[in-house]
Amino acid sequence: AQSVAQPEDQVNVAEGNPLTVKCTYSVSGNPYLFWYVQYPNRGLQFLLKYITGDNLVKGSYGFEAEFNKSQTSFHLKKPSALVSDSALYFCAVRDMSGGYNKLIFGAGTRLAVHP
Amino acid sequence: EAGVAQSPRYKIIEKRQSVAFWCNPISGHATLYWYQQILGQGPKLLIQFQNNGVVDDSQLPKDRFSAERLKGVDSTLKIQPAKLEDSAVYLCASRHIAGGSTGELFFGEGSRLTVL
Repeated sequence: AQSVAQPEDQVNVAEGNPLTVKCTYSVSGNPYLFWYVQYPNRGLQFLLKYITGDNLVKGSYGFEAEFNKSQTSFHLKKPSALVSDSALYFCAVRDMSGGYNKLIFGAGTRLAVHP
Repeated sequence: EAGVAQSPRYKIIEKRQSVAFWCNPISGHATLYWYQQILGQGPKLLIQFQNNGVVDDSQLPKDRFSAERLKGVDSTLKIQPAKLEDSAVYLCASRHIAGGSTGELFFGEGSRLTVL
């Protein structure tokens, strides 16, 4: 079965510093990986996805993610964090079991950016 | 383009009562999902529709949960009778089939259920 793991419940970073939110995956076949962000009392918003090609994927709001096949990781990164980036971040993997496309989510990582 | 609409945003009920949530997906999106997000956890798929047919309901507690999408557009998720452990945010998402198997899901803002 496809799965993702987010090893950190919370990440704290100072504004202006680089941030990394970690995700590792376990899949059979080629991994299709996604990052979503959730602000308080809101739904999930799509940030970026890796399907194939370049290992560095660029997404919304200045975020990017690095796909590493040997380490089975898909870490989310941003060169300079903003206080407004504080939110809950979810990594997800596509699951095609049963022949239909769905996403399996990790438990989430809370990002806190301090002024 | 209008997003995924959900209602109500918040609902508080007593255990053993019933509740229904409504979702209207993005126009033209054939695939509709209901996810359950319990506090501190990631979203878990409850049921998936392709047009008006169910394609995956393996995680749906069918003794108390039901869902329908009669005309292949909007959908209703019902819980009857509710239990304390059903307290969660119920997220509806949709996906355009033209996005292929790699297309992302678009989520509504969710319906937060508190069961007392």
